[in-house]
Amino acid sequence: GESVGLHLPTLSVQEGDNSIINCAYSNSASDYFIWYKQESGKGPQFIIDIRSNMDKRQGQRVTVLLNKTVKHLSLQIAATQPGDSAVYFCAEAKSNAGNMLTFGGGTRLMVKP
Amino acid sequence: GAGVSQSPRYKVAKRGQDVALRCDPISGHVSLFWYQQALGQGPEFLTYFQNEAQLDKSGLPSDRFFAERPEGSVSTLKIQRTQQEDSAVYLCASSLVGGAKDTQYFGPGTRLTVL
Repeated sequence: GESVGLHLPTLSVQEGDNSIINCAYSNSASDYFIWYKQESGKGPQFIIDIRSNMDKRQGQRVTVLLNKTVKHLSLQIAATQPGDSAVYFCAEAKSNAGNMLTFGGGTRLMVKP
Repeated sequence: GAGVSQSPRYKVAKRGQDVALRCDPISGHVSLFWYQQALGQGPEFLTYFQNEAQLDKSGLPSDRFFAERPEGSVSTLKIQRTQQEDSAVYLCASSLVGGAKDTQYFGPGTRLTVL
């Protein structure tokens, strides 16, 4: 399949370490945020979401943190595994402005065995 | 269960040709979205359907791009007189109900290369 993210910022971590991927979003009116994982040749896969009335949400091995003051979103992956290697995108949406998602530029995560 | 499927997976067109890209959403999903993803970038919104109604086409880059969903299920994105700048991956997504907070599930995309 085609390669995704040839010129994206890259985070390289050791297997078993924790990973933190950051995202700065653009619109202060956005009230819903999502993290997607995209492997080469595949479409984006939903990981976790958070609404603007929350500042933290946890899933299985993943945690999303939202700081509305500085318009910053982060994804924490615990005990990173080789299967976590992919490009990660944050996306934002405004519930009163249609249904479109606005995606950030993405970060490539590489997990070293 | 079956996810969103798209066909063809790869399409090569000569500049000036018309192309048609197909999306089969998850069965029962009301909302359908098309996005364009250039190499190394995040997806960008093109258009949105709720059932057969096209409610938002603000992201279509020119009048050469046309999308339809006549029976509220399968959708086709058509690009007329393709140009080199149309080369990208075209992603389709569907969601159960609609609304910005309803999870969108993506297909694998169609990689379009215009020569």
